[in-house]
Amino acid sequence: TQLLEQSPQFLSIQEGENLTVYCNSSSVFSSLQWYRQEPGEGPVLLVTVVTGGEVKKLKRLTFQFGDARKDSSLHITAAQPGDTGLYLCAGERGSQGNLIFGKGTKLSVKP
Amino acid sequence: NAGVTQTPKFHILKIGQSMTLQCTQDMNHNYMYWYRQDPGMGLKLIYYSVGAGITDKGEVPNGYNVSRSTTEDFPLRLELAAPSQTSVYFCASSLHDPTGNTIYFGEGSWLTVV
Repeated sequence: TQLLEQSPQFLSIQEGENLTVYCNSSSVFSSLQWYRQEPGEGPVLLVTVVTGGEVKKLKRLTFQFGDARKDSSLHITAAQPGDTGLYLCAGERGSQGNLIFGKGTKLSVKP
Repeated sequence: NAGVTQTPKFHILKIGQSMTLQCTQDMNHNYMYWYRQDPGMGLKLIYYSVGAGITDKGEVPNGYNVSRSTTEDFPLRLELAAPSQTSVYFCASSLHDPTGNTIYFGEGSWLTVV
């Protein structure tokens, strides 16, 4: 059972375009994290959202946590080739710090 | 800045053999984790530890064992390796406190069972 559904699974766009990646669940999470992973490396944390409705910005990246804390989105404005990578969302349940990961969105930004 | 260090980076194992993936962190983190990542399947938690001497099963613990004798080290043992254990293994650690839980991942260990 996949508790966190990410969409789209693959995304190929041109430099300068905008995009949104979605992370949806029927479960409530105490927090939700977004990671970026490059080939041959481990995931690197981009942001953690904790409060329902919370919006966080990281340069051209905007992260939003749903009001019910069941879903989240990542919006990238004016994508650049350096944004290419695998984007993973992960929900934290309980207090043990255990994360449930989505399958990821593989983003390719062409110059 | 070592962070989380995993060894080996790559390994080929024969069916039925055993091996240990090493993981050490120098950030004095209390929590440590082992995940496996299969193509197109995201990361799944194998085992985790909330402190030295304490370990607990994650989502996919079968075929693995762990120990946490020190804060720094969290080795993952594969007994009687099977082809289904071919995967990329990530060790991670975090300082779990009331201010948050930022998880730091190692660079991964690519394991092939043939």
